[in-house]
Amino acid sequence: ETGVTQSPTHLIKTRGQQVTLRCSSQSGHNTVSWYQQALGQGPQFIFQYYREEENGRGNFPPRFSGLQFPNYSSELNVNALELDDSALYLCASSAGVKQPQHFGDGTRLSIL
Amino acid sequence: SQQGEEDPQALSIQEGENATMNCSYKTSINNLQWYRQNSGRGLVHLILIRSNEREKHSGRLRVTLDTSKKSSSLLITASRAADTASYFCATYNFQTQGGSEKLVFGKGTKLTVNP
Repeated sequence: ETGVTQSPTHLIKTRGQQVTLRCSSQSGHNTVSWYQQALGQGPQFIFQYYREEENGRGNFPPRFSGLQFPNYSSELNVNALELDDSALYLCASSAGVKQPQHFGDGTRLSIL
Repeated sequence: SQQGEEDPQALSIQEGENATMNCSYKTSINNLQWYRQNSGRGLVHLILIRSNEREKHSGRLRVTLDTSKKSSSLLITASRAADTASYFCATYNFQTQGGSEKLVFGKGTKLTVNP
């Protein structure tokens, strides 16, 4: 059973740039959620995708957008990067909307 | 916004001792989950306790839930150095955008188990 994998593991960008983060969900999982985790904080929910449709969104601006593909992998796109976007971005997949979530190891994004 | 708040923020114990972490939450819940996060890694699901359950065990883990006090505790017995990690409680919270529920995490308890 392949777990959740995220790429890249680390990324450095400058303010105003755009970034795409990728996530491969665990085999058999149709739901993917994205979280932002600042240093010393708990993960903050960005949005969730269920069978390729957005299934809820947290308090993040529209410059945070996502996609889920037919194979249930997912992308997180962030436009017009700001310094406060520096964080660990976590992807989690699950076998349903409210099932326990299986996390990848995240992408560490640094904005200079 | 944080739904759960863990207490204490940090805990340092010796190997073999028990570690207890507490979580308080604000709204009614269907279930409460505990996760572990090793430094620089993703979160690992430990245990889920439903609102109609008062206690649940999994190996060296014991979770209690008191819905009248809106609180939960995680007990790790006979701790090991490998238990060193941050521990988070999480509950589903109704959200305004999209009408669905989102999983909301607390700030976590950082546990250090000294050999």
